[in-house]
Amino acid sequence: EIVMTQSPPTLSVSPGERATLSCRASQSISGNLAWYQHKPGQAPRLLIYDASTRATGIPARFSGSGSGTEFTLTISSLQSEDFAVYYCQQYNSWPPKYTFGQGTKLEI
Amino acid sequence: EVQLVESGGGLVQPGGSLRLSCAASGFTLSSYWMSWVRQAPGKGLEWVANIKQDGSEKYYVDSVKGRFTISRDNAKNSLYLQMNSLRAEDTAVYYCARDAGICSAGSCYDNWGQGSLVTVSS
Repeated sequence: EIVMTQSPPTLSVSPGERATLSCRASQSISGNLAWYQHKPGQAPRLLIYDASTRATGIPARFSGSGSGTEFTLTISSLQSEDFAVYYCQQYNSWPPKYTFGQGTKLEI
Repeated sequence: EVQLVESGGGLVQPGGSLRLSCAASGFTLSSYWMSWVRQAPGKGLEWVANIKQDGSEKYYVDSVKGRFTISRDNAKNSLYLQMNSLRAEDTAVYYCARDAGICSAGSCYDNWGQGSLVTVSS
């Protein structure tokens, strides 16, 4: 099983600042990584797929980078609606045993 | 508008069974891989199972193999998760999720339901 490790568990930032979230895979997953935003009581929202491609309707302040085992989600100029939990997910394994990271909580 | 609505959750005793349903609308269910993903209280997301468009392929996380069965009825626009021999550690909010069909090597999910809470407790 590919283990996904996110850091930090919690990130305290202020509106207008930049946030950098990290995700590490226990083995190479090439660029087969997605990022999601999850707010309490809501469905998760796909932000980034294939490590760096923004999903439909996602603002340009969200960007993803990385390949292999190290990945980063960057949110430039944080807005109030960006405070949430962020998860990375790998989809490199076949048969599929997709795994998520444990999440990074972005808080004020 | 794409909608996924889960139902069937509730309180069940350890060793019991429960069947979750997911009603899909706003898209052609038969065109998409579908999955169940769960979130235990205070924990992160965990992929549980997925099923191919025609139901011919199904995959499960090791912890539910032999106990859970994913199925679908494309004519009824519905996805199901039959859960048997339930354990306390299966307590979670269960989401159905649609494969976006855009991720290079597998499934990522562009539409999710609001979730259905399953509580396994005596």
